[in-house]
Amino acid sequence: AQKVTQAQTEISVVEKEDVTLDCVYETRDTTYYLFWYKQPPSGELVFLIRRNSFDEQNEISGRYSWNFQKSTSSFNFTITASQVVDSAVYFCALSGTYYNTDKLIFGTGTRLQVFP
Amino acid sequence: EAGVTQFPSHSVIEKGQTVTLRCDPISGHDNLYWYRRVMGKEIKFLLHFVKESKQDESGMPNNRFLAERTGGTYSTLKVQPAELEDSGVYFCASSQDGLGSLKNIQYFGAGTRLSVL
Repeated sequence: AQKVTQAQTEISVVEKEDVTLDCVYETRDTTYYLFWYKQPPSGELVFLIRRNSFDEQNEISGRYSWNFQKSTSSFNFTITASQVVDSAVYFCALSGTYYNTDKLIFGTGTRLQVFP
Repeated sequence: EAGVTQFPSHSVIEKGQTVTLRCDPISGHDNLYWYRRVMGKEIKFLLHFVKESKQDESGMPNNRFLAERTGGTYSTLKVQPAELEDSGVYFCASSQDGLGSLKNIQYFGAGTRLSVL
């Protein structure tokens, strides 16, 4: 069975702190995709990143970085120098198919609050 | 380009009533998905359309839920009759098949918050 676990329900930090959101996944598929989505107060889920199971290179996009480790089945998300605008609920998700679009399996989300 | 649009943003109904949710996907996206998040839990898959055909409806909870996608454009999700446990946020997503870094990514709407009293 496929499963995504986000153990951190809520994290509070002060602006400019670094924060890491954890994501652990379970799957028996050899090929799969991993995702992060952000849900700001406006409600829509905003796509942040997709990673395929063959690419374990870490990725950096501005203040955001992602650490994918197959050995520990983790796909963690780090925000460097957090800002108030980063306050949102962040969801990690797993898809079981490498190419064809398949349903997403989501974690329960981590609510990040960044205080000024 | 317009994103995924969902109507209404919020619906409050009484148990036993009928509610219809609508989703307008991104233009040109053949894939349309419905998901639901109940009481702060994980977002769960309901079903997947490819154009007007149901590709996967394994997540539909029971026969009180009916999804349609006439003409392969917008989709509706009807709950009839609604029960208390149907309360939650219903998300719609769409994606485009093909090769390339932006293909096969599901783009979501802001959801419809359904409250059944």
